[in-house]
Amino acid sequence: EPEVTQTPSHQVTQMGQEVILRCVPISNHLYFYWYRQILGQKVEFLVSFYNNEISEKSEIFDDQFSVERPDGSNFTLKIRSTKLEDSAMYFCASSDHQRQETQYFGPGTRLLVL
Amino acid sequence: AQKITQTQPGMFVQEKEAVTLDCTYDTSDPSYGLFWYKQPSSGEMIFLIYQGSYDQQNATEGRYSLNFQKARKSANLVISASQLGDSAMYFCAMRGENFNKFYFGSGTKLNVKP
Repeated sequence: EPEVTQTPSHQVTQMGQEVILRCVPISNHLYFYWYRQILGQKVEFLVSFYNNEISEKSEIFDDQFSVERPDGSNFTLKIRSTKLEDSAMYFCASSDHQRQETQYFGPGTRLLVL
Repeated sequence: AQKITQTQPGMFVQEKEAVTLDCTYDTSDPSYGLFWYKQPSSGEMIFLIYQGSYDQQNATEGRYSLNFQKARKSANLVISASQLGDSAMYFCAMRGENFNKFYFGSGTKLNVKP
């Protein structure tokens, strides 16, 4: 069964450093999303992406964040200058055109900013 | 503004019994969708069930059913015949009229007792 994959599974970085979180959505999916979940808290929407552009973004998704689909398979989230409060689990999700309501989540990347 | 509320931070249920997890929502969108996700201790997000606001019947998926009461703005998840493997965090989520933004509740931690 096709699945969303994310790399790395864990990342530790120093405050102020740039990180890139990578996702490979399910191959025929057209809609892509990033979420984050601070430890013990709810899942928060960051951004949605369709047709090579951002469809919607939350207030969390400020100028330090960017997303890109550099090729036909990868979908990346870049955090330019990490802060301590960026420490969280970051989930990528994708959905297809026929069933947009069903998002398939990746296993997540746990980011720790020191 | 969209809002999802889960008022039960934790629930216990005896194995083989049914359990209802509560979810209320608030939206001004004329059409919307409601979801439930399961998050085991391993951290991944597993899609369980979806209910569209114009669906005439309550959604069911195996042991999961969604008790959708539109007038009361509630979308409770019912798990029948609980199993030990159902122990997890459960999140209610909503998307608005466009599919580009999703909102999650704070979650309910379900513990199934043998």
